[in-house]
Amino acid sequence: DGGITQSPKYLFRKEGQNVTLSCEQNLNHDAMYWYRQDPGQGLRLIYYSQIVNDFQKGDIAEGYSVSREKKESFPLTVTSAQKNPTAFYLCASSISPGYGYTFGSGTRLTVV
Amino acid sequence: AQSVAQPEDQVNVAEGNPLTVKCTYSVSGNPYLFWYVQYPNRGLQFLLKYITGDNLVKGSYGFEAEFNKSQTSFHLKKPSALVSDSALYFCAVRDKESGYALNFGKGTSLLVTP
Repeated sequence: DGGITQSPKYLFRKEGQNVTLSCEQNLNHDAMYWYRQDPGQGLRLIYYSQIVNDFQKGDIAEGYSVSREKKESFPLTVTSAQKNPTAFYLCASSISPGYGYTFGSGTRLTVV
Repeated sequence: AQSVAQPEDQVNVAEGNPLTVKCTYSVSGNPYLFWYVQYPNRGLQFLLKYITGDNLVKGSYGFEAEFNKSQTSFHLKKPSALVSDSALYFCAVRDKESGYALNFGKGTSLLVTP
C-alpha cells in the first residue's frame, strides 16, 4: 500500500540534544512538508520541499533543519536551538504543490 | 498570506442532528480550500476540497461543504451527525506565498453526544 510513514511515534529528547524525525513516502509525490501542532494553535509550517535537493523555510523554521536528498525522504532535525520543541510533528506529501496532502501519523516529541 | 479562520473552538451536537463547522477565508484571487479531520494522536485525513465549479462540494463520510464567495465562507456540514464524527476538524487554504503549502485554521473540536 502506498503511504507516508513517520518514525518514531514517540521520541524523548534531553536538553541540548539534536534529534531527527523520519518521514518516508512511497507515493511518488514531489512535494513534502513538515508541520508542528500545538494545542489550540493548529498546524504551523516548519519547512517544505517542492523537489529533490531543494527546500524552503516555513513560518517557524528557527531551530529546525531538513534535507531532501531523495524524493522519498524528508527528515527533520530538531536542534538544541529550538527552545520549546515539545509538540506533535506531522509530515505530509502532495503530488504537486497546491493539491491536497497525504499525512503521516505523526511523531510526538517530548523534552525530558 | 492567504489564511482561514475557524471561529469556534468547540461545537457540540446531538447524534442525529445536523452539524455545521464554520470556516471563513481571506484570499486574494480564487481560493483552493480544504477540510481535514484528525482523530486523537493521528495524522490528518482529507475530507473534501473546493477548487472551482459547483459551490456545494461532497466529500468523505457523508460530509459536504458550501463555498460562499460573497460571505468568504466554506462551512463544513453533515445532515445527520454520528458519535463517531467526534474529532478535530481543520479548514485549510492554499498559500501562494509559501509555495502553495496549505495554511490551516486553529481547528474546531466536534463533540457528538448520544
